[in-house]
Amino acid sequence: SQQGEEDPQALSIQEGENATMNCSYKTSINNLQWYRQNSGRGLVHLILIRSNEREKHSGRLRVTLDTSKKSSSLLITASRAADTASYFCATVLNQAGTALIFGKGTTLSVSS
Amino acid sequence: ETGVTQTPRHLVMGMTNKKSLKCEQHLGHNAMYWYKQSAKKPLELMFVYNFKEQTENNSVPSRFSPECPNSSHLFLHLHTLQPEDSALYLCASTQGTGITDTQYFGPGTRLTVL
Repeated sequence: SQQGEEDPQALSIQEGENATMNCSYKTSINNLQWYRQNSGRGLVHLILIRSNEREKHSGRLRVTLDTSKKSSSLLITASRAADTASYFCATVLNQAGTALIFGKGTTLSVSS
Repeated sequence: ETGVTQTPRHLVMGMTNKKSLKCEQHLGHNAMYWYKQSAKKPLELMFVYNFKEQTENNSVPSRFSPECPNSSHLFLHLHTLQPEDSALYLCASTQGTGITDTQYFGPGTRLTVL
């Protein structure tokens, strides 16, 4: 079974609202990364949080990591229509190499 | 733009055709990757190359044949594909293979196998 699973699968909100997406994983990790993908395009790296970190911020993004629950959340504050995309979490296991293990993603729709 | 380009962007091929996908990175990175993204499935890692050497083959069928002539270019040669191979094929690169290296993705090639 897959390492990472995002929840919810789909999320629809209005501009200005906050969007929260969750990711759960199964095995011990070195770090967890969040990526965004606009429809039919490649993925863009958003933020990386290491296993010894609990929270990280980047602009309107806030990521938390709870290794005891094997879960992470991505919060996008004051959402904009341009935030409409699919969001994926990806984990890196505690071993050499950067092979990411992706979840299925959360599709976010922000309407104006 | 991420510095990773892929051509063609769209490809339609029959099951008996032979075609190739091309990826080029302009970032000076040393590692390159092929991923497959099918509808409603997680992104699947296919191949990893580090300094032109293949370091990972994720049990990919032999009808997919990768080639990495140098650290900047990566190809995926396709032959006798099946309709279930239709997907978005994404190329990515990293500076090295360190555990925190960020992956830079190309826009992908949308492949349809008839």
